[in-house]
Amino acid sequence: NAGVMQNPRHLVRRRGQEARLRCSPMKGHSHVYWYRQLPEEGLKFMVYLQKENIIDESGMPKERFSAEFPKEGPSILRIQQVVRGDSAAYFCASFQLALPGELFFGEGSRLTVL
Amino acid sequence: QKEVEQDPGPLSVPEGAIVSLNCTYSNSAFQYFMWYRQYSRKGPELLMYTYSSGNKEDGRFTAQVDKSSKYISLFIRDSQPSDSATYLCAIHNTNAGKSTFGDGTTLTVKP
Repeated sequence: NAGVMQNPRHLVRRRGQEARLRCSPMKGHSHVYWYRQLPEEGLKFMVYLQKENIIDESGMPKERFSAEFPKEGPSILRIQQVVRGDSAAYFCASFQLALPGELFFGEGSRLTVL
Repeated sequence: QKEVEQDPGPLSVPEGAIVSLNCTYSNSAFQYFMWYRQYSRKGPELLMYTYSSGNKEDGRFTAQVDKSSKYISLFIRDSQPSDSATYLCAIHNTNAGKSTFGDGTTLTVKP
């Protein structure tokens, strides 16, 4: 399967714990977005990453949230000291620069904070 | 004001009906216009992609863009129960390097 792979699909954390979400883009894609989706709401932009570079993190809370996309390996979205309001589906999308806007999404990681 | 406003749902139609889904946007810098379909508990998948005013047709789906009015629409002809999903409009600004999504319209097509 050459699609965007996200894991874990489901993650349960207690308040104060850390959540680490991983995304492997489509083969040949070196750009990824992370979006957050709350129930019955649309996708909210969080961060735009290129390999080894953060292009735009304007949608990501400055505290507790961080993202990276190393030269080798998946992109990682990390949420430290999770709170109940962090419960959401987190989607990763990859794309080619030659086709802006044509995003390929993973199945999402659903975080539940108890 | 949101950059992208999507007609709220939910929308329920009988099988075979024509469905119209609509969005407006505020930033004339937006350059690419997309519609995504999202089934429950799944990731969005791209349905239609266009960058110019006018109509683009793909099977039962037609995407319409009116840049002068900042209005985009998706029409579904002969709707099927398998079309039941949430439809998200999205607009991409290459200068900003990101796509902005509407909140989605949930469609149910009843057999």
